[in-house]
Amino acid sequence: DTEVTQTPKHLVMGMTNKKSLKCEQHMGHRAMYWYKQKAKKPPELMFVYSYEKLSINESVPSRFSPECPNSSLLNLHLHALQPEDSALYLCASSQGLAGNTGELFFGEGSRLTVL
Amino acid sequence: KQEVTQIPAALSVPEGENLVLNCSFTDSAIYNLQWFRQDPGKGLTSLLLIQSSQREQTSGRLNASLDKSSGRSTLYIAASQPGDSATYLCAVRPGYSTLTFGKGTMLLVSP
Repeated sequence: DTEVTQTPKHLVMGMTNKKSLKCEQHMGHRAMYWYKQKAKKPPELMFVYSYEKLSINESVPSRFSPECPNSSLLNLHLHALQPEDSALYLCASSQGLAGNTGELFFGEGSRLTVL
Repeated sequence: KQEVTQIPAALSVPEGENLVLNCSFTDSAIYNLQWFRQDPGKGLTSLLLIQSSQREQTSGRLNASLDKSSGRSTLYIAASQPGDSATYLCAVRPGYSTLTFGKGTMLLVSP
């Protein structure tokens, strides 16, 4: 099983709403990632968790709050977002973070629209 | 800082043609290079992973090569099909950080 599952597939929210994106993998991977992708652009790294601890935060605004409850789950909590935050949010996982850690596997993404 | 460039940005070919997508990177100190495919509005599908010690990898009609010293990789697609139409992304993993992506090549294969 090389699957990374993301829910929901689509999300529409207002600027005052609080919502969450969820990601799950059962490959035993210990590194999990959140990426943001705007149309016709490559994915941009947001956060990386390694062994359930936040390892990298690419200076992401605090209205995005990641959480890694266990080694299989990764959440992204959203609050007071702006319309420019509308994008495809991609979750990924890999065996590890340091060194030569093999392939990165991506989920299908959550399409977020902020009104 | 690692930079990844993909050429061409877009490519349109008739079905059945063999084609080559190019990827170049500025820092040869990489652990691996990965080619992805992305359909519109979808996630990334891993096609091939080449470790830094390898020269090439093959999967079906796809063959990817890596020349670390010159900072280049190519993705060869044999006998292209309309179902191959997608954006192809190249990404390298430097030793000190996570993946660095190129901007992709948008491929259209017409019947």
